[in-house]
Amino acid sequence: DAKTTQPNSMESNEEEPVHLPCNHSTISGTDYIHWYRQLPSQGPEYVIHGLTSNVNNRMASLAIAEDRKSSTLILHRATLRDAAVYYCILRDRSYGQNFVFGPGTRLSVLP
Amino acid sequence: NAGVMQNPRHLVRRRGQEARLRCSPMKGHSHVYWYRQLPEEGLKFMVYLQKENIIDESGMPKERFSAEFPKEGPSILRIQQVVRGDSAAYFCASSPFGASTDTQYFGPGTRLTVL
Repeated sequence: DAKTTQPNSMESNEEEPVHLPCNHSTISGTDYIHWYRQLPSQGPEYVIHGLTSNVNNRMASLAIAEDRKSSTLILHRATLRDAAVYYCILRDRSYGQNFVFGPGTRLSVLP
Repeated sequence: NAGVMQNPRHLVRRRGQEARLRCSPMKGHSHVYWYRQLPEEGLKFMVYLQKENIIDESGMPKERFSAEFPKEGPSILRIQQVVRGDSAAYFCASSPFGASTDTQYFGPGTRLTVL
C-alpha cells in the first residue's frame, strides 16, 4: 500500500495560516491525494484533492511537490472551528474504492 | 439536499445482543462504504456496497458482521452477538460513482456501546 506520513499534532494561532505537511514517497502515478478532516464527535469531511497540479477551493489550498512525493494542505486563516484531525490519503483504483485512513495530524488552534 | 444520514446516533447493547446500524446515502448516490473507528484510533474500512451487491468486504470481520444495501431502503450493518470489543463509532459514507476520484460524503456516525 502506498502510505502517507503526517506529524501527529500541530498548533496554530487563530487567523494565521497553517501548513499541514504530508509525505508520500511511494506514491504511484495514478494515486490521487485526498485530504479529509474530522471534527470532534463528527464524521470525516472532505477538504480537497488533487493529482499533480496545485488546487484551491473555498476551504483550503493543496500544494503538491513536483515529484509528488509530498504535499501540503494550506489553511489560509485558521479559525477555532478548524481544530480537527486532518487526514492525508492516497487513493488508487487498485485498492478498491475505500479510503485508507492513517492516524492523521491533530490540529489545535489557539485563540 | 440532505447529507448522509445514519441512525441511531447512539446505540447501547448488552453482550450477546444484536446491533443494527442504518445508513441512508445522499440522494442519487448508489455506492455505500462502512468504516469503524475504535476509541482514539483512525477509521478502518469495513465494506463497500452498491445497490444489492457487496463489492469489497475485505475489512469485515469474518464472523458476526454482515452488511446489505437493498434495492429499496437504507444500507444496514448488522452485528450479531455483540462483544465489548465492538464498542466503536461506525461511519457510513456514500459516493455517486465509486470512482477513485469520487469524494466520499460521510454521515455523523453511530456510536455503539456494548455493556
